[in-house]
Amino acid sequence: DGGITQSPKYLFRKEGQNVTLSCEQNLNHDAMYWYRQDPGQGLRLIYYSQIVNDFQKGDIAEGYSVSREKKESFPLTVTSAQKNPTAFYLCASSTGTITGELFFGEGSRLTVL
Amino acid sequence: GNSVTQMEGPVTLSEEAFLTINCTYTATGYPSLFWYVQYPGEGLQLLLKATKADDKGSNKGFEATYRKETTSFHLEKGSVQVSDSAVYFCALSQLSGGYNKLIFGAGTRLAVHP
Repeated sequence: DGGITQSPKYLFRKEGQNVTLSCEQNLNHDAMYWYRQDPGQGLRLIYYSQIVNDFQKGDIAEGYSVSREKKESFPLTVTSAQKNPTAFYLCASSTGTITGELFFGEGSRLTVL
Repeated sequence: GNSVTQMEGPVTLSEEAFLTINCTYTATGYPSLFWYVQYPGEGLQLLLKATKADDKGSNKGFEATYRKETTSFHLEKGSVQVSDSAVYFCALSQLSGGYNKLIFGAGTRLAVHP
């Protein structure tokens, strides 16, 4: 089945460690996105990418980094510079057109110990 | 800038009650509008969408009409079920520097009791 796969589903990290969240899609979509969701809040855009080897900062990019070396993959690294990284992270993809909806993965829950 | 405002939750209803979740937006141009649903511990799923003024999106008994004159996209369902309990997000699309992004509202939690 076509879709978006995020891994791991749960991740625990000690302070000062970098962690990388994986996102893979087989929908042949050009655009991919990372959102952060905190309890009781909406989604905030971290990074997005329209094409391979190109990506743009979203509203809360500080302390995060991404790469887009393949169309299917858009991994997110949460660095030690992110001051409050405990959150639910959602990856999404779309055709990139204004009428195109986003398709979301199941999410990755990161907890900093 | 563009923004989406949803009614605050939680919304608590009895089974078979009528549901309305208000959503208004601020946008330049002609965005597309979406409703997404999120069940506990999961990602978001598209519920319905409308791409131009006066369009009505519908799915699983839910519907919403793109009202440009009132900049609204209210979600309605005639008879809710316990299984509809979830968080509902209203969103609009915007083009920024050639990129399409979705702007989400804060979400409205719906709890349906038997």
